[in-house]
Amino acid sequence: GNSVTQMEGPVTLSEEAFLTINCTYTATGYPSLFWYVQYPGEGLQLLLKATKADDKGSNKGFEATYRKETTSFHLEKGSVQVSDSAVYFCALISPSNYQLIWGAGTKLIIKP
Amino acid sequence: EAGVAQSPRYKIIEKRQSVAFWCNPISGHATLYWYQQILGQGPKLLIQFQNNGVVDDSQLPKDRFSAERLKGVDSTLKIQPAKLEDSAVYLCASSPGLAGSADTQYFGPGTRLTVL
Repeated sequence: GNSVTQMEGPVTLSEEAFLTINCTYTATGYPSLFWYVQYPGEGLQLLLKATKADDKGSNKGFEATYRKETTSFHLEKGSVQVSDSAVYFCALISPSNYQLIWGAGTKLIIKP
Repeated sequence: EAGVAQSPRYKIIEKRQSVAFWCNPISGHATLYWYQQILGQGPKLLIQFQNNGVVDDSQLPKDRFSAERLKGVDSTLKIQPAKLEDSAVYLCASSPGLAGSADTQYFGPGTRLTVL
């Protein structure tokens, strides 16, 4: 079946460090891929998305590239800020039933 | 444009009591979702509506949970009677297209339910 696996957290980094949060998926067909972010006390917000292979989604300095050959959609940012501290969820929309399938989330802590 | 609205933001009840949550989706969005998010996990879909019809409620515990979307706009999710394991954040989301599309889902702030 369809599933999303992301790296366990928490991930703790210093301000201005490089960030990678790994995400891999299993799906039949060609899913759309998403990163959502959940700031403390807030709801889920769409961070970026990609709908086909080799697409790169980007927003707020974050990027992720849809890699079909490695079934991955890793989230990266060149220089993180304290305000990036949040929980990040990788997700896919299954092309078979159009349900949103979620990873377990990765908590990111940025220290000044 | 206004986002997805939910109320209340927090609710504490005793087990076996009943509770109701309300959601107002983004104006014009055809599809509405209710999710349950247990601490440390990703959201779990409970029910999906297209306009005022149910598209998918396969993961809704129908012995205690019910939901409706009268007139195809606002929606209410009810739990009766509540159990301890229902403690979670209940998220409402909406998307503009019809069910069966890969539209982006937009989420409300959620209702944090604590069952004692």
